Amino acid sequence: NAGVMQNPRHLVRRRGQEARLRCSPMKGHSHVYWYRQLPEEGLKFMVYLQKENIIDESGMPKERFSAEFPKEGPSILRIQQVVRGDSAAYFCASSPTSAYNEQFFGPGTRLTVL
Amino acid sequence: TQLLEQSPQFLSIQEGENLTVYCNSSSVFSSLQWYRQEPGEGPVLLVTVVTGGEVKKLKRLTFQFGDARKDSSLHITAAQPGDTGLYLCAGMDSNYQLIWGAGTKLIIKP
Repeated sequence: NAGVMQNPRHLVRRRGQEARLRCSPMKGHSHVYWYRQLPEEGLKFMVYLQKENIIDESGMPKERFSAEFPKEGPSILRIQQVVRGDSAAYFCASSPTSAYNEQFFGPGTRLTVL
Repeated sequence: TQLLEQSPQFLSIQEGENLTVYCNSSSVFSSLQWYRQEPGEGPVLLVTVVTGGEVKKLKRLTFQFGDARKDSSLHITAAQPGDTGLYLCAGMDSNYQLIWGAGTKLIIKP
C-alpha cells in the first residue's frame, strides 16, 4: 500500500511565478491536509479538504493561496505570484476518517523562491 | 489561542543516556499524538494517547498523557543515534483541529 505521495520534492520558482504542489493521499483516504513548515519550526496548518470540498481553510493566507481536491486526481496547493517568504517545506497528510485523526504524512515539497 | 508548548526546544545527549521531553498546554485535548520527523522527510506518527493518565510503551519510548489531558511526556531510555530527529506533539481540540507544538530537536551523539 503506497504511502502519501507528493511531487515535486523540490521546486524552485522566481518571484512572481506560480507554484503548484501535488499530493496523492494513501489509498482509501479521502481526507487531505496541507501544512507549511519553516526551518527549525513546527507545522502550521493551512487547509483541510475532502473530495470536492474545502472543510477548513482557516490557516490559508487570504491572498495568492488556493487548494483543491477534485473528484479525480491529486490534491493541488497553488501559490500565485510567489514571494521569497513563501519559501518553506509544504507537507500533505491524509487520513481515512474525519476529525483529523491519525494523519499520515508525505515526504513534503521544498519550495525555494529566488 | 490554543498553544502546545514543547520543552526543551533542543537537546543533545550521549548515546545510552535517558531523556524526557514535554508537551504542555492550558487546554484540554481529546487525544494527543507524538510524531518523529527526520531531516528532509515528513513526520511519522509514533503513538496516540486518548485517556487521561494513559501510558503507552513503544520499545524504549514511553508516552504518558496527563490526568487532566492537558499535557504529555515522552521518555526515551538508553537513547541511540537512530533516535535523532524532531519530535512533535499534536493535540486534538474540541473542534477536531490538531494543535501542533513547535517540536523538540533531539540529537544523540555516538
